[in-house]
Amino acid sequence: GENVEQHPSTLSVQEGDSAVIKCTYSDSASNYFPWYKQELGKGPQLIIDIRSNVGEKKDQRIAVTLNKTAKHFSLHITETQPEDSAVYFCAANPLSGGYNKLIFGAGTRLAVHP
Amino acid sequence: EAQVTQNPRYLITVTGKKLTVTCSQNMNHEYMSWYRQDPGLGLRQIYYSMNVEVTDKGDVPEGYKVSRKEKRNFPLILESPSPNQTSLYFCASSLSGALDGYTFGSGTRLTVV
Repeated sequence: GENVEQHPSTLSVQEGDSAVIKCTYSDSASNYFPWYKQELGKGPQLIIDIRSNVGEKKDQRIAVTLNKTAKHFSLHITETQPEDSAVYFCAANPLSGGYNKLIFGAGTRLAVHP
Repeated sequence: EAQVTQNPRYLITVTGKKLTVTCSQNMNHEYMSWYRQDPGLGLRQIYYSMNVEVTDKGDVPEGYKVSRKEKRNFPLILESPSPNQTSLYFCASSLSGALDGYTFGSGTRLTVV
């Protein structure tokens, strides 16, 4: 079945620096790749997603890139701020689930220090 | 406010005592799902439902039951909880499927002793 690996598991940056989180997936038929942000004590919240017919998508300070050949996608956060501190999860939708399920990575805990 | 509401937020129970975690959404979403979150394992899907009376197993369904009698509600039932079901549980909903973007509830932290 689909396997999604996420790196790094923890990431510490200074405010204003960039942060990059990478995920690889195994099912080449996957066609939807969302990113979720989970703040302390809350449920995950969708922050950006990308579909397989697009190579890059941006929304203000966050961007996601997709390399279908290499089966990996990345989240880029520029000009990080303390409120970006959270756990970030990537996900992919496998063909084996009829495209109606998401397999999540293990998460990355991002700490942004003032 | 559009939201997914889970209850309770925290629950401590004993092995074998049946319990139900409720989930309700007010967005008229067709798709609902339950996940458990464990350190180092991310979010793993327990069950999902495409619509009323339509449910299907996720990746870790053993020891759990669900029902979808109404569109807005999707309770998670643990008939005989065991300590390995100690976890953080999330209910999620979306318009029609996993590709529409989930709205998650705030979570239920369950401890089974």
